[in-house]
Amino acid sequence: QVQLQESGPGLVKPSQTLSLTCTVSGGSISSGGYYWSWIRQHPGKGLEWIGYIYYSGSTYYNPSLKSRVTISVDTSKNQFSLKLSSVTAADTAVYYCARDTMTNRGGFDYWGQGTLVTVSS
Amino acid sequence: EIVLTQSPATLSLSPGERATLSCRASQSVSSYLAWYQQKPGQAPRLLIYDASNRATGIPARFSGSGSGTDFTLTISSLEPEDFAVYYCQQRSNWPQITFGQGTRLEIK
Repeated sequence: QVQLQESGPGLVKPSQTLSLTCTVSGGSISSGGYYWSWIRQHPGKGLEWIGYIYYSGSTYYNPSLKSRVTISVDTSKNQFSLKLSSVTAADTAVYYCARDTMTNRGGFDYWGQGTLVTVSS
Repeated sequence: EIVLTQSPATLSLSPGERATLSCRASQSVSSYLAWYQQKPGQAPRLLIYDASNRATGIPARFSGSGSGTDFTLTISSLEPEDFAVYYCQQRSNWPQITFGQGTRLEIK
């Protein structure tokens, strides 16, 4: 059973960089066949896709966040990470990591429990 | 960007009733649509993929239909645990995926 777990600071100051890590267990990121993703949810709102990474390091980002987002992977630790720079209060959200297929078929079949990140001084 | 519009925003029904949730795309997404269920304090759960295929472990009372721009998620007979928020997601121009704004299914 694949499990994902987000970790990182729950409080980030405005203008700083938000950094989160997703640790995958029960399966190897480097096995391929899946893209690994970050998705966020503003309080009481819907879901917003942030970006994807493949084990090779190939990435795709939401155009609305692309200038501030970096997603990286560490296959030796079976982890992938999110960095979001120059944060404001509008970046306060629950951040989820999730697994997706490699095509337009399927869906996000495994999710982390989510972690709330608050941007405040 | 493909915009998904879900309706209604809130649906109030009683256990045992049939629920019909709609998702409309701003342009054709073929059958590349998924549905998710989210309960308070939990991550979303994949229910339906490719418009009509149930994900692993999803009860048969959940079904999806549609293609092109109009999609429906049907819950044939509501159980108490089905009251949640439901999201559709288009995957037509993967990896640039988008979600609908959600439908809240509440107990009447």
